[in-house]
Amino acid sequence: QLQLQESGPGLVKPSETLSLTCTVSGGSISSTSYYWGWVRQPPGKGLEWIGSIYYSGSTYYNPSLKSRVTISVDTSKNQFSLKLNSVTAADTAVYYCATHSSGYYLPFDYWGQGTLVTVSS
Amino acid sequence: QTVVTQEPSLTVSPGGTVTLTCASSTGAVTSAYYPNWFQQKPGQAPRALIYSTNNKHSWTPARFSGSLLGGKAALTLSGVQPEDEAEYYCLLYCGGAQGWVFGGGTKLTVL
Repeated sequence: QLQLQESGPGLVKPSETLSLTCTVSGGSISSTSYYWGWVRQPPGKGLEWIGSIYYSGSTYYNPSLKSRVTISVDTSKNQFSLKLNSVTAADTAVYYCATHSSGYYLPFDYWGQGTLVTVSS
Repeated sequence: QTVVTQEPSLTVSPGGTVTLTCASSTGAVTSAYYPNWFQQKPGQAPRALIYSTNNKHSWTPARFSGSLLGGKAALTLSGVQPEDEAEYYCLLYCGGAQGWVFGGGTKLTVL
């Protein structure tokens, strides 16, 4: 059973970089059918796709966040990561990592529990 | 940027049937949008229900079904149970430039 777990700071200062890691267990991040993604949800609001990555390094980003986002994969640690720079209070949200386990067009079938990141000084 | 629109809220009686819809600002939703549906209960991560219009995951209860209806993606719940009270989100693939776009969510109340 595939399991995902987010980790990282729960508090980030404005203008700094938000960094989160998702650790994958129960499967290999290098599996050819898997893509790996990030979704966020501001408190009391809806879901927003941030971006997705294939183990080879191919990335797909939400155009509204593309200029600030980097998603990367570390196959040696079975992890993938999210960096969002120049954060503001509007980036305060629960951040979820999730997988497309059977190809890019079957998104987010397995999810992490989510981690709340607050942007505040 | 494509806007994906869902009903903000719906109410259904236990045992009843309800259909939630998902529209695209660019026109009719087709199978090429790979419509997905997710259920989210308070304090929990979303749970995938339907992928590629009408395909169920192994854990999806039989009472949930997906379809295309009148140019929209649709999620129908038949024989609604109290535990189906939740927020439901659709997700559409809006092409390579825009990627995946979530709808704003429908709050389903079972009353």
